[in-house]
Amino acid sequence: AQKITQTQPGMFVQEKEAVTLDCTYDTSDPSYGLFWYKQPSSGEMIFLIYQGSYDQQNATEGRYSLNFQKARKSANLVISASQLGDSAMYFCAMGFSSGGSNYKLTFGKGTLLTVNP
Amino acid sequence: NAGVTQTPKFRVLKTGQSMTLLCAQDMNHEYMYWYRQDPGMGLRLIHYSVGEGTTAKGEVPDGYNVSRLKKQNFLLGLESAAPSQTSVYFCAGRRGVSYEQYFGPGTRLTVT
Repeated sequence: AQKITQTQPGMFVQEKEAVTLDCTYDTSDPSYGLFWYKQPSSGEMIFLIYQGSYDQQNATEGRYSLNFQKARKSANLVISASQLGDSAMYFCAMGFSSGGSNYKLTFGKGTLLTVNP
Repeated sequence: NAGVTQTPKFRVLKTGQSMTLLCAQDMNHEYMYWYRQDPGMGLRLIHYSVGEGTTAKGEVPDGYNVSRLKKQNFLLGLESAAPSQTSVYFCAGRRGVSYEQYFGPGTRLTVT
């Protein structure tokens, strides 16, 4: 069974500093994807970044990068130069094929990031 | 493009009442999903659809039914609401060429 663990219920960071949000996963499937989503206080879920299990390089999207360590089964999100608007709940998710052409996501419980001015 | 929209945004039901949540998308998503989000938990998959006319059960399907008669719409029904179904419901869509899912704004449902 697939499992996602986010061990940090809450994190604090000073504005303009970098922060790492931890995510570990467990799967026996060799093909999977790792995702990060942001949920601000307004409630919507915003896709941030994706990493495929066969991708050789770590994914980056602007200030977001995914530190993928396959042997450790970790997929940490790094946010550089934090901004006040980064304050939100962050969810790590793992995607896998579930038969046919479908692809399902399993979510972690989230980490609440607070950026202090 | 409106993206993924959900109707209604808020709803209060009494135990035993029924309702339908509508998810609509104009992004040509082939796949659509319904999730629920409860405090302190991530999202859990209720039902999903891999194309028009198809539906399948997810992780927590009991007490819910779905239909996808048109590609752009995915309906979630509660036939007899229970307080345990108090939650925030999210719809999401995905195109076949990529893996990321795009979410609607959510529906906050309270069952008293």
